[in-house]
Amino acid sequence: QSALTQPPSASGSPGQSVTISCTGTSSDVGGYNCVSWYQQHPGKAPKLLIYEVSKRPSGVPGRFSGSKSGNTASLTVSGLQAEDEADYYCTSYAGSNSWSVFGTGTKVTVL
Amino acid sequence: EVQLVESGGGSVQPGGSLRLSCAASGFTFNIYSMNWVRQAPGKGLEWVSYITSSSSTIHYADSVKGRFTISRDNANNSLFLQMNGLRVEDTALYYCARGFQWAFDMWGQGAMVTVSS
Repeated sequence: QSALTQPPSASGSPGQSVTISCTGTSSDVGGYNCVSWYQQHPGKAPKLLIYEVSKRPSGVPGRFSGSKSGNTASLTVSGLQAEDEADYYCTSYAGSNSWSVFGTGTKVTVL
Repeated sequence: EVQLVESGGGSVQPGGSLRLSCAASGFTFNIYSMNWVRQAPGKGLEWVSYITSSSSTIHYADSVKGRFTISRDNANNSLFLQMNGLRVEDTALYYCARGFQWAFDMWGQGAMVTVSS
């Protein structure tokens, strides 16, 4: 099972929006509404931001939103803040044989 | 406090074995599926293994299939990963993560495994 493809980096100024893509296939991202997104600060464990494509766990700010079109999912961070500077990963259910696959990760820089 | 705490990491030579443990507290462990996810130094996340709440269904990544075994003890709120035939490329920080709606909603701080001769 190949990793989902994310851009290596993305950036934006405080207050702006940044969107990160996560491209897979019809066997994972495109086949199921089971995409989730994680934020990881250096030296810390990942934190769940979005599950089932667009749902936010309690406590996650509304600035984080998710969507999907075909084989590509997206995470948008609106109103960028300094603390949003981190690595972001997507993951998707990939069927009963492969189960789960992560994205390659995107480093977000707040300019 | 709701938490997951991994233990059992360490250094081992190629071909060796290690057993990781994950102690869960603050939630009803026996109703949740659990996972192991790893992260090699400076690299991205890689899902390793999954086990349902009752241990009835188990899955492994192709990279560890046949070498790693996931298990759990619901009576003692613990998750395990038995790792045999370790390779240099298994060197990573191993996280246990709680399963929720096809996502991982809670993570431990990780246990470091180093495979080197």
